[in-house]
Amino acid sequence: EAGVTQFPSHSVIEKGQTVTLRCDPISGHDNLYWYRRVMGKEIKFLLHFVKESKQDESGMPNNRFLAERTGGTYSTLKVQPAELEDSGVYFCASSRYLNEKLFFGSGTQLSVL
Amino acid sequence: QKEVEQNSGPLSVPEGAIASLNCTYSDRVSQSFFWYRQYSGKSPELIMSIYSNGDKEDGRFTAQLNKASQYVSLLIRDSQPSDSATYLCAALNNAGNMLTFGGGTRLMVKP
Repeated sequence: EAGVTQFPSHSVIEKGQTVTLRCDPISGHDNLYWYRRVMGKEIKFLLHFVKESKQDESGMPNNRFLAERTGGTYSTLKVQPAELEDSGVYFCASSRYLNEKLFFGSGTQLSVL
Repeated sequence: QKEVEQNSGPLSVPEGAIASLNCTYSDRVSQSFFWYRQYSGKSPELIMSIYSNGDKEDGRFTAQLNKASQYVSLLIRDSQPSDSATYLCAALNNAGNMLTFGGGTRLMVKP
């Protein structure tokens, strides 16, 4: 069984540019989560999808971040325009049910210069 | 005050010793707690979950939860160099959809 895959693994962009991160959850996992870790800080929750619906986006930092999960399969997280403070590692995770073990992807290292 | 706190380490133990990792949390509502292991540049991997007061053992790992003291710990017996990693403590909210992570403790097991 394939795990959670994220693409790209690394992205280096300039301030003001747009970046789109992609996450493919484990097949059959309705729950998909985005987390991120900025330098020196804890991993923090961004949002939670159940299938294609946003269940909780309380962790999204501002309206420069847009997450989608069309068709309830893969998800994208777009940052537009990117700012320096957006640099960090963005993790995606999935689970079949709530309160169940989360499987994490290996993350996208985003560097905004 | 951070919601989930861990000593960043590094915690250095000799091979074969017991490594003791600690975590405190501030939200009394949290009922479920998790320990993740993360190797450098890799994804966090769940190694233990605990929901009730007391101890839970799985192989060389023992998780301990004390809700009155709002304290979670992870013991690793017979530590191996391959256990060297960052260990993340996390609390799950009541809705069951959001993990709050501590900053992680870096463990180094020296041969």
